[in-house]
Amino acid sequence: AQSVAQPEDQVNVAEGNPLTVKCTYSVSGNPYLFWYVQYPNRGLQFLLKYITGDNLVKGSYGFEAEFNKSQTSFHLKKPSALVSDSALYFCAVRDPPGGGNKLTFGTGTQLKVEL
Amino acid sequence: EAGVAQSPRYKIIEKRQSVAFWCNPISGHATLYWYQQILGQGPKLLIQFQNNGVVDDSQLPKDRFSAERLKGVDSTLKIQPAKLEDSAVYLCASSLEPGTGELFFGEGSRLTVL
Repeated sequence: AQSVAQPEDQVNVAEGNPLTVKCTYSVSGNPYLFWYVQYPNRGLQFLLKYITGDNLVKGSYGFEAEFNKSQTSFHLKKPSALVSDSALYFCAVRDPPGGGNKLTFGTGTQLKVEL
Repeated sequence: EAGVAQSPRYKIIEKRQSVAFWCNPISGHATLYWYQQILGQGPKLLIQFQNNGVVDDSQLPKDRFSAERLKGVDSTLKIQPAKLEDSAVYLCASSLEPGTGELFFGEGSRLTVL
């Protein structure tokens, strides 16, 4: 079964500093990986995805993610954090083609950016 | 472009009562999903529709949960009878195509079962 793990419940970072939110995956076959963000009292919003190609994927709001096959990781990054980036971040993996296209989410990492 | 609409936003019921949630997806989106998000956990897929047909309901507790998507547009998720462990946020999402993984989520319906 496809799964993702987010080892950190919370990440704290100062505004202006780089941020990393970690995600590791376990899949059979090629991974289809995603990051979503959830602001308070809002629905989840798609940030970015990796299907194939360049290991560095760029997404919304200045976020990017680095796919590392040898470490089975897909960490979310941003060079300079903003207070407005404070939110709950979810990593997700999609079933392979023909498997129903279901998204399986991790448990989420709360990002707190402070002044 | 209007987003995914859900109602009610909040609902408090007692155990063994019933509740229904409504979702209106983005216009033109053929695929509709219902997810359950329990506090401290990631969203879990309950059911996926493609137009008005069910694609995946393997994680739907069918003894108490039901969902329908008549006419392939709006959808209703019902719980009857509710249990304490059903307390969660119920998220509806839609996508233009099922294979992209790019889902558009509503704001959710928060259910508290007392």
